[in-house]
Amino acid sequence: SYELTQPPSVSVSPGQTASITCSGDKLGDKYSSWYHQKPGRSPVLVIYQDTKRPSGIPERFSGSNSGNTATLTISGTQAMDEADYYCQAWDSSTAVVFGGGTKLTVL
Amino acid sequence: EVQLLESGGGLVQPGESLRLSCAASGFTFSNYAMSWVRQAPGKGLEWVSSISGSGNSTYYADSVKGRCTISRDNSKNTLYLQMNSLRAEDTAVYYCAKTTPPDWYFDLWGRGTLVTVSS
Repeated sequence: SYELTQPPSVSVSPGQTASITCSGDKLGDKYSSWYHQKPGRSPVLVIYQDTKRPSGIPERFSGSNSGNTATLTISGTQAMDEADYYCQAWDSSTAVVFGGGTKLTVL
Repeated sequence: EVQLLESGGGLVQPGESLRLSCAASGFTFSNYAMSWVRQAPGKGLEWVSSISGSGNSTYYADSVKGRCTISRDNSKNTLYLQMNSLRAEDTAVYYCAKTTPPDWYFDLWGRGTLVTVSS
């Protein structure tokens, strides 16, 4: 079955750039999506089709996907960006797959 | 307002059944695939099942295949998940989500409904 691997945690200082990676076999050949989830809240889509932002998502959120790694980048990170982040892809053998999640701490 | 509202969760004993519902509003329900995604307490997201807009195609995670049935009533703008032979490991918040193929991303999520399987 297909698997996506994320680091359990990432820390960043306010105003700096945070990068969260998601690794999977030939992930660059698939579309990746990213979600954030704050405690007690539902997930929210922040990036889809590798690089696209839904309406209402700030421009500081961007994505890339190449080789075996997709990356979510948050430029000028704010305290409100502190959340759990999940990557997701679709694979023909497993259908929908989520990464294990990354806790972003802004300190 | 575009929204999804789940219902039907609760406390059940192992081996029992439960049917979850998700009422959609604010968009043309029949035009979109829909999915169920769950999250066990303190854990990450796990895809459960998806269904095409027409209802003709369904997909299941191995962890629920044979025990769960996804369906929809487009006349009522409602998505369902029938869960049978429930196990302790099915305990989770169940979210319904509007789904966009072919890459199956989830652009609208409900607030979730909690299912607890315990004796």
